[in-house]
Amino acid sequence: NAGVTQTPKFQVLKTGQSMTLQCAQDMNHEYMSWYRQDPGMGLRLIHYSVGAGITDQGEVPNGYNVSRSTTEDFPLRLLSAAPSQTSVYFCASSYSRTGGTNEQFFGPGTRLTVL
Amino acid sequence: AQKVTQAQTEISVVEKEDVTLDCVYETRDTTYYLFWYKQPPSGELVFLIRRNSFDEQNEISGRYSWNFQKSTSSFNFTITASQVVDSAVYFCALSEAWETSGSRLTFGEGTQLTVNP
Repeated sequence: NAGVTQTPKFQVLKTGQSMTLQCAQDMNHEYMSWYRQDPGMGLRLIHYSVGAGITDQGEVPNGYNVSRSTTEDFPLRLLSAAPSQTSVYFCASSYSRTGGTNEQFFGPGTRLTVL
Repeated sequence: AQKVTQAQTEISVVEKEDVTLDCVYETRDTTYYLFWYKQPPSGELVFLIRRNSFDEQNEISGRYSWNFQKSTSSFNFTITASQVVDSAVYFCALSEAWETSGSRLTFGEGTQLTVNP
C-alpha cells in the first residue's frame, strides 16, 4: 500500500492563479480530509468527505473547493490563490466506523507559497 | 465546540532530562478520542498514540508515557531520558465519535521540543 499520497510536494503560485492539490489513498478509506498548517496554529480542517459524493466544510473552508467522485481521490482546488493561503497542506484518510478508533493516516504534505 | 490547548509553545531541555508536554481539551461529547502526533523537522506527521474516552489507564511505550485524566480534561505526554532525536513539534488532537464528527480532528497549537546534546 502506498498509503496517502499528495502531489505536488512544493508549489509556488502568483496571486490570482488557480491550482489543484491532489490527494489519493489506496486503503479503501471512506473518510478523507484536508488540513492546513500555519505557524503557531496547529492544523485546521478545511474540508472533509465521509464518502464518495459527500463533502462538507471544516473550520476554514473559504477560498477552497473540493469534490469526491471516487473513494480513492479527494482533490483540493484553489480557484484564485491569495497570499493568505500560503501554508502547508495535509490530506488525511480514515477507515473509522461506529465504534472504530478514528485513526487518521496523513499524507506527506504540500508546501504552497502564494506570491 | 471542541478545543485543544497546548499552553507550552516551546520547551528546551538537555539530553537525558525528562520532559512533559501538556494537553488540555474541551468537548461536550462523552465518547471521544485523543491523539498525539510528532512532526519532526522533515515535516511528516507521525502517529504516536490514540486513547478513547472510556480508557483512563495510563500507557507506557518505551521512553514515552501518557497520563489521561478525565477529571482535569488533560492528556499529558512524558518523554523519559530525552534524546536529540526527540526534537520535533508535538501535537495533541481530539476527535469526537465517528457518528457525530466523521473523524474530524481538532488540533492543539503544538509544542516545539528541542533536546540539546
